[in-house]
Amino acid sequence: QVQLQESGPGLVKPSETLSLICTVSGGSISSSSYYWGWIRQPPGKGLEWIGSMFYSGHTDYNPSLKSRVTISVDTSKNQFSLKLSSMTTTDTAVYYCARQKWSTRDFDSWGQGTLVTVSS
Amino acid sequence: QSALTQPASVSGSPGQSITISCTGASSDVGSYPLVSWYQQYPGKAPKLIIYEGSKRPSGVSNRFSGSKSGNTASLTISGLQAEDESDYYCCSYAGSSTLVFGGGTKVTVL
Repeated sequence: QVQLQESGPGLVKPSETLSLICTVSGGSISSSSYYWGWIRQPPGKGLEWIGSMFYSGHTDYNPSLKSRVTISVDTSKNQFSLKLSSMTTTDTAVYYCARQKWSTRDFDSWGQGTLVTVSS
Repeated sequence: QSALTQPASVSGSPGQSITISCTGASSDVGSYPLVSWYQQYPGKAPKLIIYEGSKRPSGVSNRFSGSKSGNTASLTISGLQAEDESDYYCCSYAGSSTLVFGGGTKVTVL
């Protein structure tokens, strides 16, 4: 059974770049059946898709965040990462990584999430 | 790309059926069968309960069912139970390899 675990700083200063890593265990990130995605949830609010990537390196991003987002993969470590630049207080959220089925585009396995607070 | 529209809250008594709507546009819900639904308890990660509009993952109760008509998808919970009290989110493929979520619906069991 695949498991995902987010890691990274819990506090980021305004204007800085957030860097998060998602470590996948119990399955290969190089599977052709899945994308790997990032989703976030501001406190008390709804879910927002940030972007997804395929193990080949192909990426898709939310148009509203595209200019600030980079998702990349390290197949040797079975990890993928998120970088979000020019952070502001509105980027404060729980960030989830998740496995996304390629064929039906739903997220069938999720990490536990990590809270990132943007504050000086 | 606008968020899908869900009612903020829906409530029902144990044993009743409730339906949560998820309204999008012809560019997302109306054009693709790829609508998924997620259940989220406070402080927990979302859990997939419906995919491809109406299919249930293994292990998900058959009390959960999904459907779609035009630009609106729906999640029905039949035989409402106390454990169904949770937040529910819809998500749709929106073309060009993008996804859009709904704002979420809080289900209360009276």
